[in-house]
Amino acid sequence: AQSVTQPDIHITVSEGASLELRCNYSYGATPYLFWYVQSPGQGLQLLLKYFSGDTLVQGIKGFEAEFKRSQSSFNLRKPSVHWSDAAEYFCAVGATMEYGNKLVFGAGTILRVKS
Amino acid sequence: DAMVIQNPRYQVTQFGKPVTLSCSQTLNHNVMYWYQQKSSQAPKLLFHYYDKDFNNEADTPDNFQSRRPNTSFCFLDIRSPGLGDAAMYLCATSRGRLAGEQFFGPGTRLTVL
Repeated sequence: AQSVTQPDIHITVSEGASLELRCNYSYGATPYLFWYVQSPGQGLQLLLKYFSGDTLVQGIKGFEAEFKRSQSSFNLRKPSVHWSDAAEYFCAVGATMEYGNKLVFGAGTILRVKS
Repeated sequence: DAMVIQNPRYQVTQFGKPVTLSCSQTLNHNVMYWYQQKSSQAPKLLFHYYDKDFNNEADTPDNFQSRRPNTSFCFLDIRSPGLGDAAMYLCATSRGRLAGEQFFGPGTRLTVL
């Protein structure tokens, strides 16, 4: 069965500093990988996704992620964090079912940005 | 803008009193999902519809039911809410079978008194 591990529950970075959020997945086939962001009391917004091809994926809000098959990782990065990036970030792996598809989420990483 | 809408955004109910949460979409997607997200936890899939075909997750309690009267609407019914059912309920949609992107609504925060 597929699973996702986000080892960091909380991360605090200074505004303007770089950011890397870690994600490791377990899945038997070629994974479909996603990063979602959730602000308090809100739904999830897709930041970026990886299906195939170039392993470095660009997303919205200046985020990027790199798929590394050998490490089963899909880490999220941003070169310069803004205060508005403070939120919870979820990594997810997708699996195609007979009907629709299923996302399995990691436990999330809460990002705090200090000024 | 095409979107996923959830009503109400906040719902308060009493222990054991049935409650219905609503989701509608203007994306014309085949698949609609309901997730439960408890405080400080990841969203957990309860069930989904592919068109009118209902697919229940194995560990979803019988207390949770769903209806999809048409493509645009999907309802989550909690027959006898317990204190442990207090959570954010998220509705999502996707286009079809491939493991593509899911589009999420803003969620309904359910409080059980």
